[in-house]
Amino acid sequence: AQRVTQPEKLLSVFKGAPVELKCNYSYSGSPELFWYVQYSRQRLQLLLRHISRESIKGFTADLNKGETSFHLKKPFAQEEDSAMYYCALSAGSNYKLTFGKGTLLTVNP
Amino acid sequence: DTAVSQTPKYLVTQMGNDKSIKCEQNLGHDTMYWYKQDSKKFLKIMFSYNNKELIINETVPNRFSPKSPDKAHLNLHINSLELGDSAVYFCASSQGGNSYNEQFFGPGTRLTVL
Repeated sequence: AQRVTQPEKLLSVFKGAPVELKCNYSYSGSPELFWYVQYSRQRLQLLLRHISRESIKGFTADLNKGETSFHLKKPFAQEEDSAMYYCALSAGSNYKLTFGKGTLLTVNP
Repeated sequence: DTAVSQTPKYLVTQMGNDKSIKCEQNLGHDTMYWYKQDSKKFLKIMFSYNNKELIINETVPNRFSPKSPDKAHLNLHINSLELGDSAVYFCASSQGGNSYNEQFFGPGTRLTVL
């Protein structure tokens, strides 16, 4: 069975501070990992996926298979980064996406 | 120009009623999904259709019945609504064939059962 754990329900930082949103996963095979974001009153949208190895809006995430983690990081948080962040895992032939419970990030001025 | 659209946006109804939520995507995708987001913002897959064929059916009460008339539409019909069905329901679509393909989400339908 696949599982995604986001240990922090809430995370609050000040503008300009580094931010790290934690994500750990459980899956016996090779999963695809994603971060989705939901800004206030907007629909859920893809932020980044590990296979792309790209930086979006200053965020990066590295897949660590040894620690089964896919933490999301940004060196300098901005107020517009305040949103709900979901880590997600896709695996298996039916492309089922399993979401973590989400972390609400608040960036204070 | 909306990629994934849902109707209605809000739905308030009494316990015991039957209601439907509609979803349409104009992205040409072959796979569509329904998710439920509860009051704690937890997102969980309910169903998935690929080319009108059901491929994911999580442990959802059989009061919930998805229907896909064609690849661009996936509707959700709910019978005998219960208080616990109150949630936000999201439709999504993706191009199947790869597990790393992005899923595109609709704006959600907030269902309130009184």
